[in-house]
Amino acid sequence: GQNIDQPTEMTATEGAIVQINCTYQTSGFNGLFWYQQHAGEAPTFLSYNVLDGLEEKGRFSSFLSRSKGYSYLLLKELQMKDSASYLCAVREYNQGGKLIFGQGTELSVKP
Amino acid sequence: DARVTQTPRHKVTEMGQEVTMRCQPILGHNTVFWYRQTMMQGLELLAYFRNRAPLDDSGMPKDRFSAEMPDATLATLKIQPSEPRDSAVYFCASGFITGDTGELFFGEGSRLTVL
Repeated sequence: GQNIDQPTEMTATEGAIVQINCTYQTSGFNGLFWYQQHAGEAPTFLSYNVLDGLEEKGRFSSFLSRSKGYSYLLLKELQMKDSASYLCAVREYNQGGKLIFGQGTELSVKP
Repeated sequence: DARVTQTPRHKVTEMGQEVTMRCQPILGHNTVFWYRQTMMQGLELLAYFRNRAPLDDSGMPKDRFSAEMPDATLATLKIQPSEPRDSAVYFCASGFITGDTGELFFGEGSRLTVL
C-alpha cells in the first residue's frame, strides 16, 4: 500500500513564496499529482510529475525526487485566492489509474 | 465546458434510509471513480470502473454500499441502510486513463448528512 505525508496546515503572507512538501512510500510509483481544493468545492488538477525534476506552470511549480520519495509544490507571488487545501496524490503501476490522496495541507494566505 | 455532474448536491436523511447518488462523467472518459471525503480520513477511494466494468470496490463497506454503471453516462452509488457515520462528501471523478496515465476530473460532490 501507500503512505503519503504532508503538513496539516501552513500560513503565508500575500506576495510571498510558500513550499508545501509531500513524502510518500509506494511499491510501484507511477506519478504524483497535486490538486487544489477550495472550501466546499471540488479538487482541481494543478500539476503532474512522473520524472525527477521541476515542472513549472505560471506561479505554481512542482518538484519530484523519486529516489527520496519526495515532492513539493511551490507557490509564488501568493494571492488571497490561493487560500485552499493542497492535496498530494500518488499513482501506482497497474492499479487502473487510481489516485491515493494524502490528507491535504490547509494553506492560509494572510494580508 | 465539459464537467462531471453529480446529484444531489446536498442530502439530509435519517438513519436506515436508502440513499442514491448519481454521477454523469465527462463524455469520452473511460474511467469513473467514487471517493468519500471526511475531515478525519481525507479523500478515500471507494470504487472505480473502466469502460463500465468494476475494477476495484475494496474501499467500500460491502454490506451497505453498492456502486454501478448502468450505462456510459451514469454511475450510481447507493447506501442501504444509511448510518450516521456515512455522513461525508461523496465525490465522483472521471478520466481518460490509458497505460496508467491521465488526470482525474472531479464533480462538485454530494454532501450527505445522516441523522
